[in-house]
Amino acid sequence: DVKVTQSSRYLVKRTGEKVFLECVQDMDHENMFWYRQDPGLGLRLIYFSYDVKMKEKGDIPEGYSVSREKKERFSLILESASTNQTSMYLCASGSYNEQFFGPGTRLTVL
Amino acid sequence: GENVEQHPSTLSVQEGDSAVIKCTYSDSASNYFPWYKQELGKRPQLIIDIRSNVGEKKDQRIAVTLNKTAKHFSLHITETQPEDSAVYFCAASIGGNQFYFGTGTSLTVIP
Repeated sequence: DVKVTQSSRYLVKRTGEKVFLECVQDMDHENMFWYRQDPGLGLRLIYFSYDVKMKEKGDIPEGYSVSREKKERFSLILESASTNQTSMYLCASGSYNEQFFGPGTRLTVL
Repeated sequence: GENVEQHPSTLSVQEGDSAVIKCTYSDSASNYFPWYKQELGKRPQLIIDIRSNVGEKKDQRIAVTLNKTAKHFSLHITETQPEDSAVYFCAASIGGNQFYFGTGTSLTVIP
């Protein structure tokens, strides 16, 4: 059974703080993804990674960066959190033709 | 890049009726089309998928159809039940790695 876990379910941060969201998968998947989910906008891809130390920008990378030092772990970083980054963040990992999602982190930036 | 549009954004049906959700895509190179169901407070989970070499696929009460010429695909749920209430997302993919998601349909099944 594939497990994708995220470091926090709920997080509250202040404007300007540096925020780390971590995602870990246990299926040896090459591909990992970070999405944000907002009402009416669906799932929008922030960044993805096809391999260790490799990253590619998705549709909305501005204000975010990522790190993939190990195959099983993919981190999303908000260098200086802003209120418009309040959202649900979903990590996914996958092999060809399927993505498995983590439980999500609801981030509130005050 | 690929653009996926999904309609309707909300859908209410009586229990036992059918529900249909439609998606269109823009890139004719897309060849894989999964559907995800997200129950309230839970993660999205794959419920059915279809590849571009197939026109229809069924799994019990759910089915997906694909029209490559028109670049649209649809999810059909028959004999709806209250537990079908959720947000449904369609997606399109070229080669199965990066997915482009629709904006979601919130389905409510009224008992």
